Amino acid sequence: QVQLVQSGAEVKKPGSSVKVSCKAARGTFNSYAITWVRQAPGQGLEWMGGIIPIFATANYAQKFQGRVTITSDESTSTAFMELSSLRSEDTAVYYCARDLTSTVTGPFDFWGQGTMVTVSS
Amino acid sequence: SYVLTQPPSVSVAPGQTARITCGGNNIGSKSVHWYQQKPGQAPVLVVSDDSDRPSGIPERFSGSNSGNTATLTITRVEAGDEADYYCQVWDSSSDHVVFGGGTKLTVL
Repeated sequence: QVQLVQSGAEVKKPGSSVKVSCKAARGTFNSYAITWVRQAPGQGLEWMGGIIPIFATANYAQKFQGRVTITSDESTSTAFMELSSLRSEDTAVYYCARDLTSTVTGPFDFWGQGTMVTVSS
Repeated sequence: SYVLTQPPSVSVAPGQTARITCGGNNIGSKSVHWYQQKPGQAPVLVVSDDSDRPSGIPERFSGSNSGNTATLTITRVEAGDEADYYCQVWDSSSDHVVFGGGTKLTVL
């Protein structure tokens, strides 16, 4: 059974960047896609984008185009999400999740524990 | 862009049936997935592809999808079912994943 382990909480200044990792602690990504979803405090789930590791092809939500970069390292079964030009509205819990398919469409059957990113001056 | 509309809240007494809707234009032509999220926890997939139940999810959870509305049905509701529920689809026209706004299920 796949377990996704994310990097720890981050506190960042406005205008800076943050890079969150997501490692498959048990199992590998194999041919599955990995997606990134965030949740601002008290708000709903928001899709940011995803990647198909075996092809290293990423797909981004229009809202985050130009600010987010999703990559993967198959050798370590780790995916990364980097968000730049941070602002206070980016304060949220960021989740990675495995797609049951090899495309970034859902459903997402395994989720990381979440990484809290706080943007504050 | 494609929009999914969920009621903000649904309340039900223990033992009764809860129905949570997810509205979208011709959503019946898409595959709908449902997630349960309890406070401070990551979401959990409870129904996939309209009506499939992942391993470990009780039979009390079921789904349907037709026309402009998909529905998550929880029978014999228990206190432990109290959570936020989100529907999700993939919009082929934009190649984007879309989540509904979420519904808070309260067990009275």
